[in-house]
Amino acid sequence: AAGVIQSPRHLIKEKRETATLKCYPIPRHDTVYWYQQGPGQDPQFLISFYEKMQSDKGSIPDRFSAQQFSDYHSELNMSSLELGDSALYFCASSSRTGALGYTFGSGTRLTVV
Amino acid sequence: GQQLNQSPQSMFIQEGEDVSMNCTSSSIFNTWLWYKQEPGEGPVLLIALYKAGELTSNGRLTAQFGITRKDSFLNISASIPSDVGIYFCAGAPGGSQGNLIFGKGTKLSVKP
Repeated sequence: AAGVIQSPRHLIKEKRETATLKCYPIPRHDTVYWYQQGPGQDPQFLISFYEKMQSDKGSIPDRFSAQQFSDYHSELNMSSLELGDSALYFCASSSRTGALGYTFGSGTRLTVV
Repeated sequence: GQQLNQSPQSMFIQEGEDVSMNCTSSSIFNTWLWYKQEPGEGPVLLIALYKAGELTSNGRLTAQFGITRKDSFLNISASIPSDVGIYFCAGAPGGSQGNLIFGKGTKLSVKP
C-alpha cells in the first residue's frame, strides 16, 4: 500500500541558509500535518492543511512557512536556518471523511551546521 | 498548553514478560492513539481509540480509552525482542483540527 512519501530523507544545510522539505500524502488523503522531533524528544506539531488551506497552527517559527498544493502534496519552507532547527521533520496525512487514519512518513533529517 | 504525561519513561524487561504503559492528561481528549517509533523512522500507528471506555486489541497489544477521556493505557503481552522501540501515546484534544499532542514516550528494551 502507498505510504506518505517525504523528500529528501537527509539534508545538511549551513546556518542562515534555506531548506524546502516535501511531503506526498497517501492518495485520497486530504489533510497534511507537519511535526518536528528534536533528538530524544517527542514530535511537536507545527502546522496542518486541509484541502489546500491552513487548518491549524502549532509551534511553527515565523521563519518557517508551508503550503499545500492542488495535488495535495505539501512543502515546508525553512529560512534563516539556525543550529536548533536540526531535527527530524515528519509529515503525516489523514482523511477527514473517514476515521482518523493518521499515517506518518519516514521523515526528513535536517542537520544545520 | 495541553500536555500528556506518559509513564514509565523507560522499561527493561525479560522476553516473555507483559508490559504496561499509560498516559494521563488534565484535559479531555477525543481520540487516543498509540504509536511505536524505531530509530530514524516515523511513528507507526499501533492502535486508535475513538470512544470513552473503548478497549481494542491488535495481536498482543491491548489499549483502552479511559472513561473520563483523560487517560489511556497500552498493554503488550508476552514481549519479544522485536518489541524494542519507543512507544508514544498521542491525543487529539477537543476542538482540535486533528493535530496531535504526543506524550514523551516510553523506551522499551527487551532482554532475550
